[in-house]
Amino acid sequence: QVQLQESGPGLVKPSETLSLTCTVSGGSISSYYWNWIRQPPGKGLEWIGYIYYSGSTNYNPSLKSRVTLSVDTSKNQVSLKLSSVTAADTAVYYCARRKVHYGMDVWGQGTTVTVSS
Amino acid sequence: DIQMTQSPASLSASVGDRVTITCRASQGISNSLAWYQQKPGKAPKLLLYAAFRLESGVPSRFSGSGSGTDNTLTINRLQPEDFATYYCQQYYSTPLTFGGGTKVEIK
Repeated sequence: QVQLQESGPGLVKPSETLSLTCTVSGGSISSYYWNWIRQPPGKGLEWIGYIYYSGSTNYNPSLKSRVTLSVDTSKNQVSLKLSSVTAADTAVYYCARRKVHYGMDVWGQGTTVTVSS
Repeated sequence: DIQMTQSPASLSASVGDRVTITCRASQGISNSLAWYQQKPGKAPKLLLYAAFRLESGVPSRFSGSGSGTDNTLTINRLQPEDFATYYCQQYYSTPLTFGGGTKVEIK
């Protein structure tokens, strides 16, 4: 059974870079799109972007200038970097798996990131 | 971007009721639609994809319908564990977008 686990600092200072890792266990990272989604406190879901196992990426234009996704197939990990963060980036960050013509069928538990000095 | 508009934003229902949630896309999405259930403090859970296909393990009281721009999630015989927030999401084109959510509360 595939499981995803997000990890990274829970507190990031304004203007700094948020860095999170999603570790995939119980299955292969191959042949899937690995998505990052965030949810500000009390609000809805926002798609950040995805990376295919081959390394190709697609970002939400609203965040594109600040987002970098990467994949390490040897470690079965995908990573998110979000630069120049502000309080508006405070959210629960999720990673999720998707394949073509399908929904996001496996999600991590999410990790809370607070942007504050 | 394709805008996804869900209605209602919230509703109150009783156990055993039939509940219907609507999701309207700002342009045609060719059934490239998923529905998720989210409980407080938990990650979303995939219920349906391709507008009406039930994800493995999801109870058959959940069903989806619609075409083009208008889609519906129906929950028949609402159970206590169904009280949650529901989101639709289109994957027809990027950026992938979610509806604003519908909170189903106990009457």
